[in-house]
Amino acid sequence: EVQLVESGGGLIQPGGSLRLSCAASGFTVSDKYMSWVRQAPGKGLEWVSVIYSGGTTYYADSVKGRFTISRDASKNTLYLQMNGLRVEDTAIYYCARMTVYYYHMDVWGNGTAVAVSS
Amino acid sequence: EIVMTQSPVTLSVSPGERATLSCRASQSVGSNLAWYQQKPGQAPRLLIYGAYIRATGIPARFSGRGSGTEFILTISSLQSEDFAVYYCLQSNNWPPLTFGGGTKVEIK
Repeated sequence: EVQLVESGGGLIQPGGSLRLSCAASGFTVSDKYMSWVRQAPGKGLEWVSVIYSGGTTYYADSVKGRFTISRDASKNTLYLQMNGLRVEDTAIYYCARMTVYYYHMDVWGNGTAVAVSS
Repeated sequence: EIVMTQSPVTLSVSPGERATLSCRASQSVGSNLAWYQQKPGQAPRLLIYGAYIRATGIPARFSGRGSGTEFILTISSLQSEDFAVYYCLQSNNWPPLTFGGGTKVEIK
């Protein structure tokens, strides 16, 4: 069964760092495009970052220079390192698998909650 | 950045009725448009991709149409489990990938 399970969220003070993990099963993370998408409380969906199968990475302007997406093939896991966290980064963070056929997200994890507050 | 605008923000529909949701792009996205359903406390679920292709396991009452800048998601006969928020996503000109603001389909 294809599945994504996020972990690593929590309560963190502004300026702090957190690393989110997304463990995949049923497919190989490094063979796919993988994205992180977030949703602030009561708000819509916001794309955060992508890592291509070839390793190229891109970020939303709102997180560029602060967040880093990566993966570990041996653990079949996707990561999001978040530094310099701001109150406005408070959200549920979802990882999602992308298919290159019309470049859409076809499999989503259940999300992990990040709260940035003093 | 392509801006996606969904309308209406809220749609009140009775069970069994048809629901028509709109998504407009600020510039052409071809057919690179997907629709997602999200229920409270749950992750988004893929409904439609390529503007009109139903994802695996999605009931036939969900249909998508459109290309370029105007897209429609139709739910032909609303079931109780269809009351949710629906988002469109463009993937024609990215990064960034951009979502619409969502349409909440509520019980009338």
